[in-house]
Amino acid sequence: AQTVTQSQPEMSVQEAETVTLSCTYDTSESDYYLFWYKQPPSRQMILVIRQEAYKQQNATENRFSVNFQKAAKSFSLKISDSQLGDAAMYFCAYRPWRSNFGNEKLTFGTGTRLTIIP
Amino acid sequence: SQTIHQWPATLVQPVGSPLSLECTVEGTSNPNLYWYRQAAGRGLQLLFYSVGIGQISSEVPQNLSASRPQDRQFILSSKKLLLSDSGFYLCAWSVNRENTEAFFGQGTRLTVV
Repeated sequence: AQTVTQSQPEMSVQEAETVTLSCTYDTSESDYYLFWYKQPPSRQMILVIRQEAYKQQNATENRFSVNFQKAAKSFSLKISDSQLGDAAMYFCAYRPWRSNFGNEKLTFGTGTRLTIIP
Repeated sequence: SQTIHQWPATLVQPVGSPLSLECTVEGTSNPNLYWYRQAAGRGLQLLFYSVGIGQISSEVPQNLSASRPQDRQFILSSKKLLLSDSGFYLCAWSVNRENTEAFFGQGTRLTVV
């Protein structure tokens, strides 16, 4: 079974600085997807960034980028120029490649609470 | 565009009472549907998922059940709530193909008293 581990329950960063959130996962699959979701105080889950395992290039979305290390099964999120609106819980998630019936479900880590210091 | 509706937003129920949370998706057909629970200070635990009408898979044994009476409707139920059922419940959907993420509803805060 796949597992996702986020070893940092809480992180804080000064506004405008850069912060990196860690995520590791365990799988025997070679093809899969990885995601970072953001959950602000409103509790709405918002997709931040997505990475396909077959792609060697790290995904980027504006101030958000990932460091995907497939061999190490590591998938960290870097937030540059942190803003007050980035304060939220961040969840790392794994999804297998859709090859079998009903295996499209996401497995989440326990989350990292990010605080932005003004 | 696709939207997902989940209700109610908050619910306070006594122990032993029944539960029905509803989730509907608009703007897509044959979605994969999911129910997650988020306990305080913890991650999201997948409870049920469905790849089609009447097709429900349970991830963990519990006091809850799920049904999918229509293609875009997913219902989470219980006949008798327990205190341990308290939590934040999220419905989600994804398109039934490879390159896609899951989209979440706004959640239901359930407090069992």
